[in-house]
Amino acid sequence: GENVEQHPSTLSVQEGDSAVIKCTYSDSASNYFPWYKQELGKRPQLIIDIRSNVGEKKDQRIAVTLNKTAKHFSLHITETQPEDSAVYFCAASRNTGFQKLVFGTGTRLLVSP
Amino acid sequence: SQTIHQWPATLVQPVGSPLSLECTVEGTSNPNLYWYRQAAGRGLQLLFYSVGIGQISSEVPQNLSASRPQDRQFILSSKKLLLSDSGFYLCAWKGLEEAFFGQGTRLTVV
Repeated sequence: GENVEQHPSTLSVQEGDSAVIKCTYSDSASNYFPWYKQELGKRPQLIIDIRSNVGEKKDQRIAVTLNKTAKHFSLHITETQPEDSAVYFCAASRNTGFQKLVFGTGTRLLVSP
Repeated sequence: SQTIHQWPATLVQPVGSPLSLECTVEGTSNPNLYWYRQAAGRGLQLLFYSVGIGQISSEVPQNLSASRPQDRQFILSSKKLLLSDSGFYLCAWKGLEEAFFGQGTRLTVV
């Protein structure tokens, strides 16, 4: 089955710096890769996603890149702000057949003012 | 629009007591449904998933069970809770792509 690994487990940056979180997956049939943000005590919420037919996607300060050959994808946050502080999860699933959604172990991002 | 309801929000239960957490989805039919557990400061561990009524797949051996008695209802149960069952339980449904989570249940077994 699918296995998703995520690094680093914690990341501390200064406000305005960039942050990068990396994930690898094992199932070559996975073709949908979302990223979720979870604030303390709250439910995870989707912030950006990418499909296997695309190599990069941007949404304002957030971008995701995908390398299907190497089976890894990354989240990039530029110009970080204190409100970006949260736990970020990557995930992988198939878009057809049974769509089991497997998450990485999470990255705690702390943005210091 | 689709919504997902999960209750209760918090629960304190003694060791050995039973558990029943309920999740319902509105605004969609035949959703893929999931139960995840998140231990304090940890990741999202997939416990069970379901593609339809009565169809349950278990990811991790444990003393929990799940049932799907109706298309949009997913229940997480235990006959006898253990201390290690404490955590934040999240129900989720997934359409074609994005998954949506319920508010979560913070379970403390004492």
